[in-house]
Amino acid sequence: DVKVTQSSRYLVKRTGEKVFLECVQDMDHENMFWYRQDPGLGLRLIYFSYDVKMKEKGDIPEGYSVSREKKERFSLILESASTNQTSMYLCASSLRRLRGEFNYGYTFGSGTRLTVV
Amino acid sequence: GIQVEQSPPDLILQEGANSTLRCNFSDSVNNLQWFHQNPWGQLINLFYIPSGTKQNGRLSATTVATERYSLLYISSSQTTDSGVYFCAVERYTNAGKSTFGDGTTLTVKP
Repeated sequence: DVKVTQSSRYLVKRTGEKVFLECVQDMDHENMFWYRQDPGLGLRLIYFSYDVKMKEKGDIPEGYSVSREKKERFSLILESASTNQTSMYLCASSLRRLRGEFNYGYTFGSGTRLTVV
Repeated sequence: GIQVEQSPPDLILQEGANSTLRCNFSDSVNNLQWFHQNPWGQLINLFYIPSGTKQNGRLSATTVATERYSLLYISSSQTTDSGVYFCAVERYTNAGKSTFGDGTTLTVKP
């Protein structure tokens, strides 16, 4: 019954590497999000997408890019990984706002704990 | 941007006790969610509750949008309720982007 799948649970990368974090959802949701979670800083939005090939910057987009070529897949790219990008990365998806009694709540993946050494 | 404050920051309960967690927000919102993050990091959506009251088993939530707060009630707590509870709100203009509070860390002791 897995609905949002993140490709890796744990990842260790070297400084300067290009890193791809993949997220796939099977609920036909329009919205997809990438958050990072750090102790004392809570959950912060990196990027989100409300449709295929559409993307918008969140609160902390610097050092990241995203790709959404298909509705079900949203990729987060660290162009040149740095140690300050060591964090828990969380992907989520949700329905876009429509009229009617829909549940627009987020469904999160299980997270990717990335360590950059 | 909108400010989201959760209280208390930490809560320790004995198994079987009841508790109330609070979420205050600084501006009008179009959407409010409650999440539970378990010790393994998985975030589970508990309620999507922009207004009114909802119940799901031992958990219930009430949002009073006009007064800019929401409450999460946990009754007859169990050790599996331990974890961090987050409130997240969305302004209508953010088109699906939510702002999270800092969370309440709940520890339920056997």
